[in-house]
Amino acid sequence: NAGVTQTPKFQVLKTGQSMTLQCAQDMNHEYMSWYRQDPGMGLRLIHYSVGAGITDQGEVPNGYNVSRSTTEDFPLRLLSAAPSQTSVYFCASSYEGISGYTFGSGTRLTVV
Amino acid sequence: AQRVTQPEKLLSVFKGAPVELKCNYSYSGSPELFWYVQYSRQRLQLLLRHISRESIKGFTADLNKGETSFHLKKPFAQEEDSAMYYCAPRAWGVSNSGGSNYKLTFGKGTLLTVNP
Repeated sequence: NAGVTQTPKFQVLKTGQSMTLQCAQDMNHEYMSWYRQDPGMGLRLIHYSVGAGITDQGEVPNGYNVSRSTTEDFPLRLLSAAPSQTSVYFCASSYEGISGYTFGSGTRLTVV
Repeated sequence: AQRVTQPEKLLSVFKGAPVELKCNYSYSGSPELFWYVQYSRQRLQLLLRHISRESIKGFTADLNKGETSFHLKKPFAQEEDSAMYYCAPRAWGVSNSGGSNYKLTFGKGTLLTVNP
């Protein structure tokens, strides 16, 4: 049981480049979320999903896209990276949103 | 507006001293409250949830609906308690797409340092 797996752990992008942050869980959790963590800002919700085929926006969705084609995977896409997207990104999952969330180990992204 | 506030960004105590990390929330209805902890260079972990009324690593938290608070307490802090602590309400609400579901949001966190 691997839990929540995020890849890559580190990434440097140039402004304007695109990339996908991967998130996979093997716990059959319906709820999955993406957060970004910035100093002094805590964790802010980017996008979340309550099941395969269903996604919705969180607090800071601009510049990010998500999809949920399977229960296991919830990738986060940066369409055109900007320096303001430099952050640590965490993926989390939960069983129907009624239990505590399990977090991945994070992806540290730097946009130059 | 729904809001969670952790008024202290930084909290420093000496080993063996009591510690209290404050959390206040402003939510309609009855949110479920959690505390998450992040040790240096590690992923976030669930520490406590108010519905289970448990004590984890010596920490407890009582939900005070009158004061809308969920403060985290430990009577005798240890050096290994040094970490970032986040208060996190989970509330049922209407999503941007018009449906209803749970969303977990986080306070800005309190960095606890326990000095020897």
